[in-house]
Amino acid sequence: SQQGEEDPQALSIQEGENATMNCSYKTSINNLQWYRQNSGRGLVHLILIRSNEREKHSGRLRVTLDTSKKSSSLLITASRAADTASYFCATGRGNFGNEKLTFGTGTRLTIIP
Amino acid sequence: ETGVTQSPTHLIKTRGQQVTLRCSSQSGHNTVSWYQQALGQGPQFIFQYYREEENGRGNFPPRFSGLQFPNYSSELNVNALELDDSALYLCASSPSVGLAYEQYFGPGTRLTVT
Repeated sequence: SQQGEEDPQALSIQEGENATMNCSYKTSINNLQWYRQNSGRGLVHLILIRSNEREKHSGRLRVTLDTSKKSSSLLITASRAADTASYFCATGRGNFGNEKLTFGTGTRLTIIP
Repeated sequence: ETGVTQSPTHLIKTRGQQVTLRCSSQSGHNTVSWYQQALGQGPQFIFQYYREEENGRGNFPPRFSGLQFPNYSSELNVNALELDDSALYLCASSPSVGLAYEQYFGPGTRLTVT
């Protein structure tokens, strides 16, 4: 089952604009990660945010985590054509020996040149 | 530094057959996880291996099994293939056990079951 649900399912914006994607989940987590996937290939890790953190930055990426609302957002600033991809949130939960990383259904982002 | 590699790239099998997929982890990584990604869906966690032992499993039947070797490479075996097993199978390695670390993914193996 998919714990994370990304919103929106698809997003199209003009190059240079900011893109915001949201992720909601249902149960408590150890951490939340965002990944990018180009055209059905392997996933690329973007950011990991732990459950005791509220915000992290990496270059043009900004991730927030609100554990009280069980939600996270990924902001990509000054978008580029190369940012066109599917973006997935993944929640890490469980104890050692029974840990799971659960991915959402993804947001398909299209940057229009 | 060598990234995660997977073989084969594509594979076509018939329902009821068995398949073995292979993965070489990134240099220095001792943990390997396998995921199944159906078309249009997010990856689903199959299991994770650390030091040649299974360390966590998703909701997959026993006909999905795996191995990890002393050099940390890994195999995913699927017996009695079903049509719904058609998917992209992704392998990911990480520098330590557990899922609190970023996963480094390979390019995947596209399996088609007819």
